Amino acid sequence: ETGVTQSPTHLIKTRGQQVTLRCSSQSGHNTVSWYQQALGQGPQFIFQYYREEENGRGNFPPRFSGLQFPNYSSELNVNALELDDSALYLCASTSGGGYEQYFGPGTRLTVT
Amino acid sequence: GDSVTQMEGPVTLSEEACLTINCTYTATGYPSLFWYVQYPGEGLQLLLKATKADDKGSNKGFEATYRKETTSFHLEKGSVQVSDSAVYFCALSGTNTGGFKTIFGAGTRLFVKA
Repeated sequence: ETGVTQSPTHLIKTRGQQVTLRCSSQSGHNTVSWYQQALGQGPQFIFQYYREEENGRGNFPPRFSGLQFPNYSSELNVNALELDDSALYLCASTSGGGYEQYFGPGTRLTVT
Repeated sequence: GDSVTQMEGPVTLSEEACLTINCTYTATGYPSLFWYVQYPGEGLQLLLKATKADDKGSNKGFEATYRKETTSFHLEKGSVQVSDSAVYFCALSGTNTGGFKTIFGAGTRLFVKA
């Protein structure tokens, strides 16, 4: 069974740029959630995708957007990067009926 | 709204000491409760879970009991090891308002000294 994978591992961007982060869900999981974890804090829910549709969104501005593909992999896009967007971005997958999340290793984004 | 509050860290213990990390929650409905662990440089791993009142989750010597009357889910271990050094997050999911959204506490860093 393949776990959740994320790419890239690390990324450095300049303020105002755009970034795309990628996630492959665990085999058999059709729901993907994205979280932002600032240094020293708990993960904050960005949004969730279920069968290619957004299924809930946290308190993040519209410049945070996402996609889910037919194979249930997902992308997180962030436009007009700000310094405060520097964080670890975590992807988590689950099967449709469960609440426990299976997390990937994360992408560390640094905005300078 | 739904929220999780856990004790602030860091917590520093000697090997073989007893561990308790307190966690309380506020939620609508009957959420599932979780403890996740994050080792340095890694993502989160599910440590244990409980899905209804009075359930006890356990794994790797860690335990936590879902106490609805006190809205608590404290993490305990009888004898910690150096390898338990990590950040521990209490979390909930499946509330009336949040659905599948998982809400995390701020995390408690544990250091275990040899």
